[in-house]
Amino acid sequence: ETGVTQTPRHLVMGMTNKKSLKCEQHLGHNAMYWYKQSAKKPLELMFVYSLEERVENNSVPSRFSPECPNSSHLFLHLHTLQPEDSALYLCASSQVGALNTEAFFGQGTRLTVV
Amino acid sequence: AQTVTQSQPEMSVQEAETVTLSCTYDTSESDYYLFWYKQPPSRQMILVIRQEAYKQQNATENRFSVNFQKAAKSFSLKISDSQLGDAAMYFCAYRSANTNAGKSTFGDGTTLTVKP
Repeated sequence: ETGVTQTPRHLVMGMTNKKSLKCEQHLGHNAMYWYKQSAKKPLELMFVYSLEERVENNSVPSRFSPECPNSSHLFLHLHTLQPEDSALYLCASSQVGALNTEAFFGQGTRLTVV
Repeated sequence: AQTVTQSQPEMSVQEAETVTLSCTYDTSESDYYLFWYKQPPSRQMILVIRQEAYKQQNATENRFSVNFQKAAKSFSLKISDSQLGDAAMYFCAYRSANTNAGKSTFGDGTTLTVKP
């Protein structure tokens, strides 16, 4: 049982659909992250939430919209995606501040845009 | 900005042998953390080993050990007595200690194959 849980594990959506990815962490961490992992490409950081405030947005297209309602939950809302958005989306959490930890990852959501 | 470079896209090792994966990084900071993560085909990324930059002693976790050369900005991972279950993609990662964002910068990864 992982401390970071992502749902769904697999998602196929059309370009006109709206869907959301969910991430939940049970580790008491105060920071959460969305990463995109595409084949043949390095891991790309999409969003960072630290203490529930978005502290970094690496110029991700607006068709990706994050939401962090509390320190344990993170969402990624998707709309009008493109086929090139097909990838593995990884959520991670960590503790930041006086006590730093490494990032703990979920199992990812494999997204296919058709 | 920090960068992490893994110069070996693919490596292979015979079962029970030792293999070393390379990682170099670039930073102007003095206080940071370095990590090696493993991502097996089941795709969940898990931490293998962690090194604090202020510690001179190389981290060790059972069959996994690192060679941390701070001046050279090198952080290689040695896997001893390789097992079939070690087959995975390995990522080297850097994280600054001087930020409350806690984000990590990852290398491109090295795919390790273990031959029986």
